[in-house]
Amino acid sequence: KAGVTQTPRYLIKTRGQQVTLSCSPISGHRSVSWYQQTPGQGLQFLFEYFSETQRNKGNFPGRFSGRQFSNSRSEMNVSTLELGDSALYLCASTQTGGRETQYFGPGTRLLVL
Amino acid sequence: TQLLEQSPQFLSIQEGENLTVYCNSSSVFSSLQWYRQEPGEGPVLLVTVVTGGEVKKLKRLTFQFGDARKDSSLHITAAQPGDTGLYLCAGFTYNAGNMLTFGGGTRLMVKP
Repeated sequence: KAGVTQTPRYLIKTRGQQVTLSCSPISGHRSVSWYQQTPGQGLQFLFEYFSETQRNKGNFPGRFSGRQFSNSRSEMNVSTLELGDSALYLCASTQTGGRETQYFGPGTRLLVL
Repeated sequence: TQLLEQSPQFLSIQEGENLTVYCNSSSVFSSLQWYRQEPGEGPVLLVTVVTGGEVKKLKRLTFQFGDARKDSSLHITAAQPGDTGLYLCAGFTYNAGNMLTFGGGTRLMVKP
């Protein structure tokens, strides 16, 4: 079974631009969660999608948004990029989003200049 | 807001030494998970502890969940260079949907 895949793996943007990151969960998994990882703040929860609905949201500004498609693939979008948005963005999938193991993808490393 | 404090942040030891990483919170979690992350990769789950007082062993790694389900520890016996990496604890809150609260991480380096 293929693991969680994220594209692109690396991205360089400038302040003010917007970016879209993609996550394909493990086949059969319906829950996708997104996390931001930075050296200063560590891993922080962004949001979770289940069956195309946002079920849970972390404490991030509205510039961070996401969506999930009927095939469970998910995208997250960051608008009006700031330098502080430079981070590793990780997504994780589970079957139903209960107590099962979360499987993480390799992440997308975003650098904002 | 639930917080998990992990200590120490950094640990550099010689091969063969023992070490313990701590994860503490003032909040109760449904379960607590330990992950290991290598550079350029996402975290990989090592273990999940669910019951207060639970102890789980994974070869040379021993994980313990506190009686009150607020804290946990990871003990590595006879560390090896292959144990080098970032160790993360994460608390799972069942009622809040699928959300993990991560500790700040412990970066472990084991020198040969």
